[in-house]
Amino acid sequence: EAGVTQFPSHSVIEKGQTVTLRCDPISGHDNLYWYRRVMGKEIKFLLHFVKESKQDESGMPNNRFLAERTGGTYSTLKVQPAELEDSGVYFCASRRGGGSSYEQYFGPGTRLTVT
Amino acid sequence: AQTVTQSQPEMSVQEAETVTLSCTYDTSESDYYLFWYKQPPSRQMILVIRQEAYKQQNATENRFSVNFQKAAKSFSLKISDSQLGDAAMYFCAYRSEGGSQGNLIFGKGTKLSVKP
Repeated sequence: EAGVTQFPSHSVIEKGQTVTLRCDPISGHDNLYWYRRVMGKEIKFLLHFVKESKQDESGMPNNRFLAERTGGTYSTLKVQPAELEDSGVYFCASRRGGGSSYEQYFGPGTRLTVT
Repeated sequence: AQTVTQSQPEMSVQEAETVTLSCTYDTSESDYYLFWYKQPPSRQMILVIRQEAYKQQNATENRFSVNFQKAAKSFSLKISDSQLGDAAMYFCAYRSEGGSQGNLIFGKGTKLSVKP
C-alpha cells in the first residue's frame, strides 16, 4: 500500500508569489488533514476534509490560504500571496473513515521557504 | 483548549542505554488519546505508540513504553536499549475521543541523538 505523498518536497518562492502544495492520501482514506510546523514551534492543525467536504478549517491562518479536495481524492493547499511568516513545513495526513480511533498516516511534508 | 508541552528540546543517549522523553498536557476532557510520533531526519512521521486515556495499563511496543499518569496529565516515553536508528524528532500528541474530527494537538518536539 502506497503511503501519503506530498509534492513538492521543497519550494522556495518570493514574498507575494503563489504556491500550490499537493497531497495524495492513502487510497480509500476519507479523512485528510493539513498541518503546519513553523520553525521551533508546534505542529499546528490547519484543516480537515472528509471526502471532498471541509469538516473543520478552524486552523487556517487567514484567507490567503485555500484548500481543496476535488472528488475526494488528492488535496491542494494554495497560498496566495505568500508572506514571510508562511515559511515552514506543511504536513498532510490521512485516516480511514469511521470513528476517530484510527491512526493518521503522515506524508513527508513540503518545506516552504518564502524569501 | 488542550495543550501539549514537551519541556526537553534536545536529549542525548548512549547506544544500548535507556532514555525517557517527557510530555505533559492540559485538558478538561476525560476521554482522549495520547500518541508519540517519531520523525527521522528527512523522513515522514510515523506512529510509535498510542495510549487510550480510559486504559490504566501503560502501552508498550517492543523497546518503547509509556508512563501514563492521568491525574498528573503526564505521558512520558521510555526507549530501552537505544539504537542508532532511534535518532529522530519525537512529538507527543493529543486527540479528543469524542466526535469525528480527529485532529491532533502536538508538542514542540524533542530531538533525540543516539551516540555510538
